Amino acid sequence: GAGVSQSPRYKVAKRGQDVALRCDPISGHVSLFWYQQALGQGPEFLTYFQNEAQLDKSGLPSDRFFAERPEGSVSTLKIQRTQQEDSAVYLCASSEGLVVTNEQFFGPGTRLTVL
Amino acid sequence: QKEVEQNSGPLSVPEGAIASLNCTYSDRVSQSFFWYRQYSGKSPELIMSIYSNGDKEDGRFTAQLNKASQYVSLLIRDSQPSDSATYLCAARFYNQGGKLIFGQGTELSVKP
Repeated sequence: GAGVSQSPRYKVAKRGQDVALRCDPISGHVSLFWYQQALGQGPEFLTYFQNEAQLDKSGLPSDRFFAERPEGSVSTLKIQRTQQEDSAVYLCASSEGLVVTNEQFFGPGTRLTVL
Repeated sequence: QKEVEQNSGPLSVPEGAIASLNCTYSDRVSQSFFWYRQYSGKSPELIMSIYSNGDKEDGRFTAQLNKASQYVSLLIRDSQPSDSATYLCAARFYNQGGKLIFGQGTELSVKP
């Protein structure tokens, strides 16, 4: 079946602009995760949802970052007033649930460049 | 101190050899561990998951977990040039919800 999809794949923003990144999880997956990956580093956790509930947002770097999943399916990560340090690849992952054996599957990512 | 640590490499092995990738983690109550492969410019792809002490084999891949030593490894037998990639170790810890904590990744290069 279809995997996790993300759009756009690439986004160039001028500093100060707002951006919205979309994630469409694997059908039936109730858990959805957002990670940020800087060049040469492993992914860093941002936030996650169980259905529409945001259970942990401790990784969001500032109050300029906001994520939602209003209907428990598609999720949007919004970054307001983008800064150059926001440049990174934003990865979305989904899993069947939060059971310890549940595996997370990643989408292709959105590469954000802030000029 | 990072919770999950890997040598960044690069690790270079000849084609056909065994590649050994290692990962250590901090003193937390661990639940599960995952190995992902990431090709340059691509997203992480799940290779193996392991939850219990011991070895788990899947084709050319073997994951090994030793919770007492806080150590997890990935062995790749009969390494191929197509295995050249960055390998990410990730851990899920008790009371941390479902989030994964990643190491910085080890770059593997398999030379023909």
